[in-house]
Amino acid sequence: LAKTTQPISMDSYEGQEVNITCSHNNIATNDYITWYQQFPSQGPRFIIQGYKTKVTNEVASLFIPADRKSSTLSLPRVSLSDTAVYYCLVGDDGSGNTGKLIFGQGTTLQVKP
Amino acid sequence: GAVVSQHPSRVICKSGTSVKIECRSLDFQATTMFWYRQFPKQSLMLMATSNEGSKATYEQGVEKDKFLINHASLTLSTLTVTSAHPEDSSFYICSARVSGRAVDEQYFGPGTRLTVT
Repeated sequence: LAKTTQPISMDSYEGQEVNITCSHNNIATNDYITWYQQFPSQGPRFIIQGYKTKVTNEVASLFIPADRKSSTLSLPRVSLSDTAVYYCLVGDDGSGNTGKLIFGQGTTLQVKP
Repeated sequence: GAVVSQHPSRVICKSGTSVKIECRSLDFQATTMFWYRQFPKQSLMLMATSNEGSKATYEQGVEKDKFLINHASLTLSTLTVTSAHPEDSSFYICSARVSGRAVDEQYFGPGTRLTVT
Protein backbone atom coordinates (compact mmCIF):
# COMPACT_ATOMS: atom_id res chain seq x y z
CA LEU A 1 0.00 0.00 0.00
CA ALA A 2 1.27 3.41 -0.92
CA LYS A 3 2.41 5.57 1.98
CA THR A 4 1.21 9.13 2.19
CA THR A 5 2.84 12.23 3.64
CA GLN A 6 0.93 15.33 4.68
CA PRO A 7 1.70 18.43 6.74
CA ILE A 8 0.93 17.80 10.39
CA SER A 9 -1.01 21.00 10.84
CA MET A 10 -2.27 24.08 9.05
CA ASP A 11 -3.91 27.29 10.15
CA SER A 12 -6.34 29.37 8.17
CA TYR A 13 -8.94 32.09 8.61
CA GLU A 14 -12.60 32.03 7.86
CA GLY A 15 -13.43 32.72 4.24
CA GLN A 16 -10.04 31.70 2.90
CA GLU A 17 -9.33 28.90 0.50
CA VAL A 18 -7.28 26.09 2.01
CA ASN A 19 -5.11 23.73 0.02
CA ILE A 20 -3.70 20.61 1.66
CA THR A 21 -1.13 18.70 -0.33
CA CYS A 22 -0.41 15.02 0.08
CA SER A 23 2.58 13.13 -1.30
CA HIS A 24 2.23 9.52 -2.41
CA ASN A 25 5.32 8.74 -4.43
CA ASN A 26 4.70 4.99 -4.55
CA ILE A 27 1.13 5.10 -5.79
CA ALA A 28 0.20 2.08 -7.88
CA THR A 29 -1.60 2.08 -11.19
CA ASN A 30 -4.84 0.80 -9.66
CA ASP A 31 -4.82 3.13 -6.68
CA TYR A 32 -7.40 5.83 -6.13
CA ILE A 33 -6.82 8.83 -3.86
CA THR A 34 -9.40 9.47 -1.18
CA TRP A 35 -9.68 12.23 1.38
CA TYR A 36 -11.52 11.94 4.66
CA GLN A 37 -12.43 14.47 7.34
CA GLN A 38 -12.59 13.60 11.01
CA PHE A 39 -14.00 15.61 13.89
CA PRO A 40 -13.10 14.70 17.48
CA SER A 41 -14.85 11.58 18.74
CA GLN A 42 -16.44 10.87 15.39
CA GLY A 43 -15.72 8.45 12.58
CA PRO A 44 -14.03 9.77 9.44
CA ARG A 45 -16.29 11.23 6.79
CA PHE A 46 -15.68 10.78 3.08
CA ILE A 47 -14.91 14.05 1.32
CA ILE A 48 -13.75 13.29 -2.19
CA GLN A 49 -12.06 10.66 -4.30
CA GLY A 50 -10.18 10.81 -7.58
CA TYR A 51 -7.84 9.01 -9.92
CA LYS A 52 -6.35 11.76 -12.05
CA THR A 53 -6.73 15.41 -13.12
CA LYS A 54 -9.44 17.25 -11.22
CA VAL A 55 -12.50 16.20 -9.33
CA THR A 56 -14.98 18.60 -7.80
CA ASN A 57 -18.01 18.08 -5.62
CA GLU A 58 -20.16 20.30 -3.46
CA VAL A 59 -17.63 20.56 -0.65
CA ALA A 60 -14.15 20.31 -2.18
CA SER A 61 -11.93 19.92 -5.20
CA LEU A 62 -9.16 17.43 -5.67
CA PHE A 63 -6.26 18.17 -7.97
CA ILE A 64 -4.05 15.34 -9.14
CA PRO A 65 -1.09 15.97 -11.45
CA ALA A 66 -0.26 13.70 -14.36
CA ASP A 67 2.36 11.71 -12.46
CA ARG A 68 -0.13 11.12 -9.60
CA LYS A 69 2.65 11.28 -7.03
CA SER A 70 0.82 13.95 -5.10
CA SER A 71 -2.64 15.38 -4.72
CA THR A 72 -4.11 18.59 -3.34
CA LEU A 73 -7.37 18.92 -1.49
CA SER A 74 -8.86 22.36 -1.94
CA LEU A 75 -11.50 23.67 0.46
CA PRO A 76 -13.07 26.90 -0.76
CA ARG A 77 -13.99 29.58 1.74
CA VAL A 78 -13.51 27.62 4.94
CA SER A 79 -15.55 28.25 8.05
CA LEU A 80 -14.93 27.50 11.71
CA SER A 81 -16.79 24.22 11.30
CA ASP A 82 -14.13 23.00 8.88
CA THR A 83 -11.69 22.71 11.77
CA ALA A 84 -10.87 19.00 11.72
CA VAL A 85 -8.26 16.43 10.82
CA TYR A 86 -7.97 15.66 7.12
CA TYR A 87 -6.59 12.35 5.94
CA CYS A 88 -5.27 11.50 2.51
CA LEU A 89 -5.42 7.81 1.69
CA VAL A 90 -4.37 5.77 -1.26
CA GLY A 91 -6.09 2.45 -1.77
CA ASP A 92 -6.83 -0.10 -4.43
CA ASP A 93 -9.76 0.16 -6.76
CA GLY A 94 -11.55 -2.82 -5.32
CA SER A 95 -10.70 -4.97 -8.28
CA GLY A 96 -9.60 -7.83 -6.15
CA ASN A 97 -7.36 -6.56 -3.42
CA THR A 98 -8.27 -6.26 0.21
CA GLY A 99 -9.50 -2.69 0.09
CA LYS A 100 -7.53 -1.88 3.20
CA LEU A 101 -7.00 1.77 3.94
CA ILE A 102 -3.98 2.69 6.00
CA PHE A 103 -4.29 6.04 7.71
CA GLY A 104 -1.31 8.33 8.00
CA GLN A 105 -0.98 11.06 10.57
CA GLY A 106 -3.39 13.41 8.80
CA THR A 107 -3.41 17.19 8.73
CA THR A 108 -5.01 19.08 11.57
CA LEU A 109 -6.64 22.17 10.09
CA GLN A 110 -7.42 24.98 12.50
CA VAL A 111 -9.72 27.66 11.13
CA LYS A 112 -9.62 30.91 13.04
CA PRO A 113 -12.23 33.67 13.10
CA GLY B 1 -27.36 6.49 1.60
CA ALA B 2 -24.30 4.53 2.75
CA VAL B 3 -24.90 4.87 6.49
CA VAL B 4 -22.93 2.83 8.99
CA SER B 5 -24.01 2.62 12.61
CA GLN B 6 -22.25 1.40 15.71
CA HIS B 7 -23.65 0.29 19.01
CA PRO B 8 -23.04 1.23 21.71
CA SER B 9 -21.64 4.69 21.17
CA ARG B 10 -20.06 4.67 24.59
CA VAL B 11 -19.39 1.88 27.08
CA ILE B 12 -17.70 1.62 30.44
CA CYS B 13 -16.75 -1.79 31.73
CA LYS B 14 -14.73 -3.29 34.52
CA SER B 15 -11.36 -4.86 33.99
CA GLY B 16 -11.64 -8.53 33.12
CA THR B 17 -15.05 -8.36 31.51
CA SER B 18 -15.87 -8.64 27.81
CA VAL B 19 -17.53 -6.04 25.64
CA LYS B 20 -19.25 -6.49 22.28
CA ILE B 21 -19.44 -3.68 19.73
CA GLU B 22 -21.77 -3.92 16.75
CA CYS B 23 -21.23 -2.39 13.34
CA ARG B 24 -24.12 -2.28 10.88
CA SER B 25 -24.45 -1.09 7.33
CA LEU B 26 -27.97 0.31 7.29
CA ASP B 27 -28.81 0.76 3.63
CA PHE B 28 -26.31 -1.31 1.73
CA GLN B 29 -24.62 -4.67 1.84
CA ALA B 30 -21.02 -4.91 2.88
CA THR B 31 -19.05 -8.04 2.18
CA THR B 32 -16.07 -6.47 3.91
CA MET B 33 -15.90 -4.44 7.06
CA PHE B 34 -12.87 -3.06 8.81
CA TRP B 35 -12.16 -2.37 12.47
CA TYR B 36 -9.91 0.44 13.63
CA ARG B 37 -8.71 1.68 16.98
CA GLN B 38 -7.82 5.27 17.70
CA PHE B 39 -6.04 6.59 20.77
CA PRO B 40 -6.29 10.27 21.75
CA LYS B 41 -4.61 12.63 19.30
CA GLN B 42 -3.46 9.74 17.14
CA SER B 43 -4.48 8.43 13.77
CA LEU B 44 -6.70 5.44 13.14
CA MET B 45 -4.94 2.10 13.36
CA LEU B 46 -6.35 -0.76 11.32
CA MET B 47 -6.96 -3.78 13.52
CA ALA B 48 -8.59 -6.31 11.22
CA THR B 49 -10.51 -6.99 8.06
CA SER B 50 -13.83 -8.71 8.52
CA ASN B 51 -15.24 -10.71 5.62
CA GLU B 52 -18.78 -12.03 5.62
CA GLY B 53 -18.85 -15.76 6.16
CA SER B 54 -15.16 -16.22 6.77
CA LYS B 55 -12.54 -15.64 9.41
CA ALA B 56 -11.25 -12.16 9.99
CA THR B 57 -7.77 -11.17 8.93
CA TYR B 58 -5.84 -9.43 11.67
CA GLU B 59 -3.08 -6.88 11.29
CA GLN B 60 0.31 -7.64 12.71
CA GLY B 61 0.43 -7.17 16.44
CA VAL B 62 -3.33 -7.46 17.01
CA GLU B 63 -4.30 -10.41 19.19
CA LYS B 64 -7.04 -12.36 17.46
CA ASP B 65 -8.01 -14.18 20.66
CA LYS B 66 -8.50 -10.91 22.46
CA PHE B 67 -10.36 -9.06 19.73
CA LEU B 68 -12.94 -11.50 18.41
CA ILE B 69 -14.58 -10.51 15.15
CA ASN B 70 -17.69 -12.06 13.69
CA HIS B 71 -19.23 -11.09 10.36
CA ALA B 72 -22.34 -13.23 10.24
CA SER B 73 -24.30 -11.29 7.65
CA LEU B 74 -23.81 -8.74 4.90
CA THR B 75 -24.92 -5.96 7.20
CA LEU B 76 -23.46 -6.82 10.59
CA SER B 77 -19.99 -7.27 12.02
CA THR B 78 -19.21 -7.48 15.72
CA LEU B 79 -16.03 -6.87 17.64
CA THR B 80 -15.74 -8.43 21.09
CA VAL B 81 -13.00 -7.21 23.37
CA THR B 82 -12.39 -10.14 25.71
CA SER B 83 -11.00 -9.79 29.21
CA ALA B 84 -10.69 -6.07 28.77
CA HIS B 85 -7.98 -4.13 30.57
CA PRO B 86 -7.49 -0.39 31.03
CA GLU B 87 -4.99 -0.30 28.16
CA ASP B 88 -7.81 -1.42 25.84
CA SER B 89 -9.59 1.85 26.52
CA SER B 90 -9.83 3.52 23.16
CA PHE B 91 -12.10 4.74 20.39
CA TYR B 92 -13.13 1.85 18.16
CA ILE B 93 -14.34 2.63 14.65
CA CYS B 94 -15.67 0.34 11.98
CA SER B 95 -15.99 0.91 8.26
CA ALA B 96 -17.94 -0.92 5.61
CA ARG B 97 -16.85 -1.42 2.05
CA VAL B 98 -19.55 -0.99 -0.56
CA SER B 99 -19.98 -4.14 -2.59
CA GLY B 100 -20.20 -4.35 -6.33
CA ARG B 101 -18.66 -1.02 -7.18
CA ALA B 102 -15.81 -0.46 -9.57
CA VAL B 103 -14.25 2.08 -7.27
CA ASP B 104 -13.50 1.26 -3.68
CA GLU B 105 -15.76 3.17 -1.35
CA GLN B 106 -15.74 2.85 2.39
CA TYR B 107 -18.03 4.44 4.90
CA PHE B 108 -17.23 4.80 8.55
CA GLY B 109 -19.33 4.36 11.63
CA PRO B 110 -19.55 7.03 14.33
CA GLY B 111 -17.23 5.13 16.65
CA THR B 112 -17.53 3.52 20.09
CA ARG B 113 -15.74 4.95 23.08
CA LEU B 114 -14.61 2.13 25.36
CA THR B 115 -13.43 2.89 28.87
CA VAL B 116 -12.13 0.05 31.00
CA THR B 117 -11.93 0.78 34.72
